[in-house]
Amino acid sequence: QLQLQESGPGLVKPSETLSLTCTVSGGSISSSYSWGWIRQPPGKGLEWIGSISYGGSTYYTYYNPSLKSRLTISGDTSKNQFSLKLSSVTAADTAVYYCAGGLGELAFYHYWGQGTLVTVSS
Amino acid sequence: EIVLTQSPATLSLSPGEGATLSCRASQSISRYLVWYQQKPGQAPRLLISDASNRATGIPARFSGSGSGTDFTLTISSLEPGDFAVYYCQQRSNWPLTFGGGTKVEIK
Repeated sequence: QLQLQESGPGLVKPSETLSLTCTVSGGSISSSYSWGWIRQPPGKGLEWIGSISYGGSTYYTYYNPSLKSRLTISGDTSKNQFSLKLSSVTAADTAVYYCAGGLGELAFYHYWGQGTLVTVSS
Repeated sequence: EIVLTQSPATLSLSPGEGATLSCRASQSISRYLVWYQQKPGQAPRLLISDASNRATGIPARFSGSGSGTDFTLTISSLEPGDFAVYYCQQRSNWPLTFGGGTKVEIK
């Protein structure tokens, strides 16, 4: 049974970079799963941010075009973690951020972290 | 980007009643439609993948149907734990997108 846990600062200043890490246990991130980030502004719906998946020694990243210019998703197989960096944040980036794991690149997500609230405020 | 439109926004029903939730895609997505349930303060929970495949541990009262652009999630007889928000997601094209959600509330 895969388990995912998000970690990172809960408060980020406007114009700075939001950085989150997801630690995966119960399985390897270099498996056939796809690892995604999804966010949910308070009281609103879900937005897919992007994902990373591995194929042998190569990894592939997929980004939401609406965030692509500010977004980097990376993985660390030695730590079994994947990470999100979102630059130049504004109040509109305030949300609960979830990491999730699913089968295939165009994934549906079986496994979710508990989510972490990130507030963008000075 | 494929837009998913869920209706109704809110469904007010009593325990024991049946619920029918709709998700319409802006273009054909074959059967690549997923349903999640989300309760307050919790992460979404996978219910149905690829239009009609119940996830492990999901009760048989949850069923999904549809293809192309029109999809339905049916809950045959609502139990107290089923009152939640339901989201659809398409996995046919990048970027992955979610519908706006349907809240099933107690009448």
